[in-house]
Amino acid sequence: EAQVTQNPRYLITVTGKKLTVTCSQNMNHEYMSWYRQDPGLGLRQIYYSMNVEVTDKGDVPEGYKVSRKEKRNFPLILESPSPNQTSLYFCASSPEVAGRETQYFGPGTRLLVL
Amino acid sequence: GESVGLHLPTLSVQEGDNSIINCAYSNSASDYFIWYKQESGKGPQFIIDIRSNMDKRQGQRVTVLLNKTVKHLSLQIAATQPGDSAVYFCAEVPGKLIFGQGTELSVKP
Repeated sequence: EAQVTQNPRYLITVTGKKLTVTCSQNMNHEYMSWYRQDPGLGLRQIYYSMNVEVTDKGDVPEGYKVSRKEKRNFPLILESPSPNQTSLYFCASSPEVAGRETQYFGPGTRLLVL
Repeated sequence: GESVGLHLPTLSVQEGDNSIINCAYSNSASDYFIWYKQESGKGPQFIIDIRSNMDKRQGQRVTVLLNKTVKHLSLQIAATQPGDSAVYFCAEVPGKLIFGQGTELSVKP
């Protein structure tokens, strides 16, 4: 089944404790992206990657890092999480950049930073 | 003024009625538009798209209308069903994907 998977689905952590949210897609898509979704603000792009070893900042990249060592995986790293990073995070992939094709979203990761 | 509330606009319809969800987009350069559906606890799911050289596109039970003059997009759902209850939001592509905040559709049985 074609899908985007994220782990963990739910995470509670404390300020400053490094964490990684994994994202994997099995559709051989070149383009992958991370979004955060907050009430009143909608979906905002954090980082994106157009292919292996090619990553770039989205609209809200501060406090986040990403890597794209393999085509299928695009982990999101929070080196020192802070409470303002409490949010619902979505990974997405598509076969073409800028959403020209359908973006496939993962199920989401709900993060609470205390 | 700008709304900073936490609550999405809500549309409540009776099962079997038609639903119309509206979206105003901001960028005149946008040439591609997408409607997404997000059910509770799930990621957004593609419903239908439309390019700027069209003003109407139909899918199964859904129709998207585009009015470039007033920068307005609408999603029409025919014979709304309880399974259509979700948040719907539009996205525009003026080079990159920009999402609207969404409308919550509630279907009453």
